[in-house]
Amino acid sequence: AQSVTQLGSHVSVSEGALVLLRCNYSSSVPPYLFWYVQYPNQGLQLLLKYTTGATLVKGINGFEAEFKKSETSFHLTKPSAHMSDAAEYFCAVSESGGGADGLTFGKGTHLIIQP
Amino acid sequence: GAGVSQSPRYKVAKRGQDVALRCDPISGHVSLFWYQQALGQGPEFLTYFQNEAQLDKSGLPSDRFFAERPEGSVSTLKIQRTQQEDSAVYLCASSPRTTGGMNTEAFFGQGTRLTVV
Repeated sequence: AQSVTQLGSHVSVSEGALVLLRCNYSSSVPPYLFWYVQYPNQGLQLLLKYTTGATLVKGINGFEAEFKKSETSFHLTKPSAHMSDAAEYFCAVSESGGGADGLTFGKGTHLIIQP
Repeated sequence: GAGVSQSPRYKVAKRGQDVALRCDPISGHVSLFWYQQALGQGPEFLTYFQNEAQLDKSGLPSDRFFAERPEGSVSTLKIQRTQQEDSAVYLCASSPRTTGGMNTEAFFGQGTRLTVV
């Protein structure tokens, strides 16, 4: 069975500050890991994904995440927050790459950007 | 179409009413998923289709929920005798492949927000 824990249902940072959204997972096999962003009344948009290979993954909008197997973590970071980053962020895990077994999502973290 | 399209975007149903939610996946996508997203929660898996075959329906919460994809493209999620706890956003996603790998990505629609009153 697989599961995802996102620490902090709400994270508030100042514009220009570092963004750090935490995600820990459990999986019985080497996982595929994803971060999605959801803007109000919108669907989910893929930010980045880890499948195999390099553990530091770069995504869209300046976000990146590092897969740390020893810590079972996949935290999302961005060096400098922008007002447009305000949204809901979901970490997800899959044991087949988001194919036949779908995705298991965390509960989400609401990112608030203070001016 | 360019993306996954869902209709209607919003649906208000009276308790006990039947509803049907439609998903048009990206053309040619083999895999199709339905998720339920309750307020303040992450999406939860409902069911999975590979072409027209429903291979996994383990996430459907009750026998009032039924999904179909008869021709391997458009899918319909039907909820019979709706209850207030069915109120949620229902998301549809499609993927070009059946198994994982570096080139697999699930593309999500904007969802249908169902409110049962």
